[in-house]
Amino acid sequence: DAMVIQNPRYQVTQFGKPVTLSCSQTLNHNVMYWYQQKSSQAPKLLFHYYDKDFNNEADTPDNFQSRRPNTSFCFLDIRSPGLGDAAMYLCATSGEGTQPQHFGDGTRLSIL
Amino acid sequence: GESVGLHLPTLSVQEGDNSIINCAYSNSASDYFIWYKQESGKGPQFIIDIRSNMDKRQGQRVTVLLNKTVKHLSLQIAATQPGDSAVYFCAENTGGFKTIFGAGTRLFVKA
Repeated sequence: DAMVIQNPRYQVTQFGKPVTLSCSQTLNHNVMYWYQQKSSQAPKLLFHYYDKDFNNEADTPDNFQSRRPNTSFCFLDIRSPGLGDAAMYLCATSGEGTQPQHFGDGTRLSIL
Repeated sequence: GESVGLHLPTLSVQEGDNSIINCAYSNSASDYFIWYKQESGKGPQFIIDIRSNMDKRQGQRVTVLLNKTVKHLSLQIAATQPGDSAVYFCAENTGGFKTIFGAGTRLFVKA
């Protein structure tokens, strides 16, 4: 059974039109992460939540925001998507920082 | 659309042979290391991890070796199978919440 679920699997949006990607987990993990992965590249951490504490990576554009309303759900909001934001967005969870991360299968975002 | 990515290093092995995937990590303060497998269209999947107080750890068909002196990590897969074909990422962590992924190696298994 899937433990980290991302919806939708594929998302198409227009240039500049806000979009929200969602992630849910059944693992009851403290930490939830959002990564951006472009073609043939490694996942790049955007931000993470430890419980309700939000931690943004220094090089994450302001265009990207996140919400975690409860332990199970986390959202990635892209306020004004540009063509360079087309990528796979991966959600992951872990119990603590130095533990293996459990990834969802990602949402592939296309920008028209 | 998506920007064109870099070409991944590729390792091609015959089914049944052993595979060795190498990784150089960047931060001498890193103390937790993980190998992930990513199949096409899926998220990375945990394979094995090792902490800096060890230099070798074995799992089922997989072994991770850590050489802190030269900041090198390797993943050995015994009796490689077609289902092992994927992209393999090493990742390092300095004890906080940031995990840095390496560039990845694409493994092809020839039947």
